[in-house]
Amino acid sequence: KQEVTQIPAALSVPEGENLVLNCSFTDSAIYNLQWFRQDPGKGLTSLLLIQSSQREQTSGRLNASLDKSSGRSTLYIAASQPGDSATYLCAVRPGNFNKFYFGSGTKLNVKP
Amino acid sequence: EPEVTQTPSHQVTQMGQEVILRCVPISNHLYFYWYRQILGQKVEFLVSFYNNEISEKSEIFDDQFSVERPDGSNFTLKIRSTKLEDSAMYFCASIQEASGYNEQFFGPGTRLTVL
Repeated sequence: KQEVTQIPAALSVPEGENLVLNCSFTDSAIYNLQWFRQDPGKGLTSLLLIQSSQREQTSGRLNASLDKSSGRSTLYIAASQPGDSATYLCAVRPGNFNKFYFGSGTKLNVKP
Repeated sequence: EPEVTQTPSHQVTQMGQEVILRCVPISNHLYFYWYRQILGQKVEFLVSFYNNEISEKSEIFDDQFSVERPDGSNFTLKIRSTKLEDSAMYFCASIQEASGYNEQFFGPGTRLTVL
């Protein structure tokens, strides 16, 4: 069974700082990996999707990388803002399975 | 912009009662999912649905749970006899097709409280 781990569990940074969130998974046979943002009591907003054949994806100040062989993905947030404060989740879809496994998330607090 | 919608936003029920949670996936999407998130815990996969049948289900999705697509737009999750431990946020999601290029889109969730 695929296990997904996110480190750190919580992170507090001053506004303007660049930061990296980590996601690791135990089985490298994945189909794709998706990063989400979750605000308290709300649903999940898709940020980036990386297919298994890709090494990175970028959207605005966000850059996600994937190293399938080592079972790792990172989400890089440039020039963080207080509005970035949320929980960030990664989800992995194993190859040939129509299901997704989520990590526990990293709770980010960006201080003004 | 198309979005996944869920109703109700909050459901309170007594233990042992049946509940039906409703979702309207994005209209041209073909794959549908239910997840749950117990307070403070991970988002957990429950079931996936394609072509009017279940394609995957987790150990959580036992005989107390069922899913249905009663018409061309709604996708429902039924819990036959609710337990206290069913209290959670339930999220519906959909994908246009099964290729790796497609993102999951999530609804805002239904908070289920079982008393």
